[in-house]
Amino acid sequence: NAGVTQTPKFQVLKTGQSMTLQCAQDMNHNSMYWYRQDPGMGLRLIYYSASEGTTDKGEVPNGYNVSRLNKREFSLRLESAAPSQTSVYFCASSEDSYSPLTNEKLFFGSGTQLSVL
Amino acid sequence: GDSVTQMEGPVTLSEEAFLTINCTYTATGYPSLFWYVQYPGEGLQLLLKATKADDKGSNKGFEATYRKETTSFHLEKGSVQVSDSAVYFCALRIFSGGYNKLIFGAGTRLAVHP
Repeated sequence: NAGVTQTPKFQVLKTGQSMTLQCAQDMNHNSMYWYRQDPGMGLRLIYYSASEGTTDKGEVPNGYNVSRLNKREFSLRLESAAPSQTSVYFCASSEDSYSPLTNEKLFFGSGTQLSVL
Repeated sequence: GDSVTQMEGPVTLSEEAFLTINCTYTATGYPSLFWYVQYPGEGLQLLLKATKADDKGSNKGFEATYRKETTSFHLEKGSVQVSDSAVYFCALRIFSGGYNKLIFGAGTRLAVHP
């Protein structure tokens, strides 16, 4: 039971480089999320996908793009990395984010530690 | 706007000590409240939750009561173990803008020593 799998676990980039963070879930969840975790700031939502084929901006979307490739996979792309994007990135999934009565539990991947020099 | 405020860490305790981690929230409407735990090198896991006022969530010896009058959801455990060392996040969920929005506090690191 893999749950939510993220790759890579660690990455070092130079300013201006691009990269894609991959995320896949095997729980048949409709909704997927990308968060960043910074010291003293908790987790902040970058983008989310409430269902296959839809994506929406979260709290801190600038400098990122996302693709919901299919129901299982949700990738996060940094087109031109900046030092301010140094952070730990978490992918998460949940059954359904549309209904207010749905199971509220989020399942998280183990994170990607990204450093931009 | 909606927000969660947690006590700053780190919290350092000896094994078998009593734990309290404070959490207060600001929200419009009636949020559900959660505690998530992050063990070293892992993602966050749901620890417990409460969906309405006066509900008590509990799991693995941890408890938290949803207090609407004080807008609080403090996490407690009577006797901590070394294995409880982790970062604890308080969060609220509110249905806003057509989807379930989960807002996290900054996290509180707990270190338990033998």
